[in-house]
Amino acid sequence: EIVLTQSPATLSLSPGERATLSCRASQSVSVYLAWYQHKPGQAPRLLIYDTSNRATGIPARFSGSGSGTDFTLTISGLEPEDFAVYYCQQRRSWPITFGQGTRLEIK
Amino acid sequence: EVQLVESGGGLVQPGGSLRLSCAASGFTFSTYDVHWVRQATGQGLEWVSGITAAGNSYYADSVKGRFTISRENAKNSLYLQMNSLRDGDTAVYYCARSAIAAAGSGAFDIWGQGTMVTVSS
Repeated sequence: EIVLTQSPATLSLSPGERATLSCRASQSVSVYLAWYQHKPGQAPRLLIYDTSNRATGIPARFSGSGSGTDFTLTISGLEPEDFAVYYCQQRRSWPITFGQGTRLEIK
Repeated sequence: EVQLVESGGGLVQPGGSLRLSCAASGFTFSTYDVHWVRQATGQGLEWVSGITAAGNSYYADSVKGRFTISRENAKNSLYLQMNSLRDGDTAVYYCARSAIAAAGSGAFDIWGQGTMVTVSS
């Protein structure tokens, strides 16, 4: 099983600032890494797939990078609606796994 | 509208069984992989099980041997039969779809709103 470790666990920032979230895999997942946003009471939302491709309707302030075992989600210019929990996920092999999440909170 | 709607959640005693359903609409269900993902209160997302368009099924170690995933393409439906339920299975259960991939599965681009399963005596 591929284990994904996200850091930091919690990130406290103000609207307008830049957020950098990390995800490290226990073995290479090539480029097959996705990022999701999850807000309480809502379904998770796909943001980024295959490392750097924005999903349909996702604003350009969300970007992804990395390869192999180290990946980054960057949110440039935080909007109030961006404060949520973010998860990375690998789809390269079964079982599919998620990271433990990074909580992005308003400072 | 592309949509997934879960049903079948509820309260069940430890050791009991429950069957979840997920109704798909707005897309060609048979051509997608579909999955169950859960979230216990205060915890993160946990992939539970997936079934490919070809009918191959996969499970997380935590549910292997107790849960069975199935699909009925003629009814555009996904199911999760959950047996020998434990307190630790208490969670919101989501169904999600992904595109077919050469390895593993695709990213989960459509999710349902979830159904709550509570295992308690």
